[in-house]
Amino acid sequence: AQSVTQLDSHVSVSEGTPVLLRCNYSSSYSPSLFWYVQHPNKGLQLLLKYTSAATLVKGINGFEAEFKKSETSFHLTKPSAHMSDAAEYFCVVSDYSSASKIIFGSGTRLSIRP
Amino acid sequence: GEEVAQTPKHLVRGEGQKAKLYCAPIKGHSYVFWYQQVLKNEFKFLISFQNENVFDETGMPKERFSAKCLPNSPCSLEIQATKLEDSAVYFCASSPPLLLEQYFGPGTRLTVT
Repeated sequence: AQSVTQLDSHVSVSEGTPVLLRCNYSSSYSPSLFWYVQHPNKGLQLLLKYTSAATLVKGINGFEAEFKKSETSFHLTKPSAHMSDAAEYFCVVSDYSSASKIIFGSGTRLSIRP
Repeated sequence: GEEVAQTPKHLVRGEGQKAKLYCAPIKGHSYVFWYQQVLKNEFKFLISFQNENVFDETGMPKERFSAKCLPNSPCSLEIQATKLEDSAVYFCASSPPLLLEQYFGPGTRLTVT
């Protein structure tokens, strides 16, 4: 069975400082992992994906994530936060070996302080 | 198209009325998924299609919910006799044939009064 845990429900950083959003997963098979962002009253936008290629994945808007199998983690980082990064971030896991549905984490709300 | 399109953006129904939501997947994508976001951070999988065939319907409430993806038509999700607890944002997503990432539409906000 798959599951994903986002360790922080809310993260607040100052503009220009680094961002770290933590995600741990559990999967019986080799997983695919994704980060999505949801701005208020908007849909979900794919930030980046890991699908068993390079373990360091670069995404849009300066975000990147590193797949660490030994730690079962897929943390999202950005070197310098921007006000426009304030949103809800979801870590998602799928193995597609059993069913096509993906499993969402509970989300992390990122706030940016001026 | 290049984006998943969902209509309408907002839908208000009185309890007991029917609601029908539409989704046009990205051109060339073989898979369509429906999710329900009830609370802000909870996404519930409802159903998926591979072309016009049901792929996985393990999340669908059996009694009042139905969905279709017919050739040359938008996919649809229909709720018969809506209940207050059906109030949610319903997201559609589509995926290319290799079933990698899912691309989400902007959602339809259903309010049942």
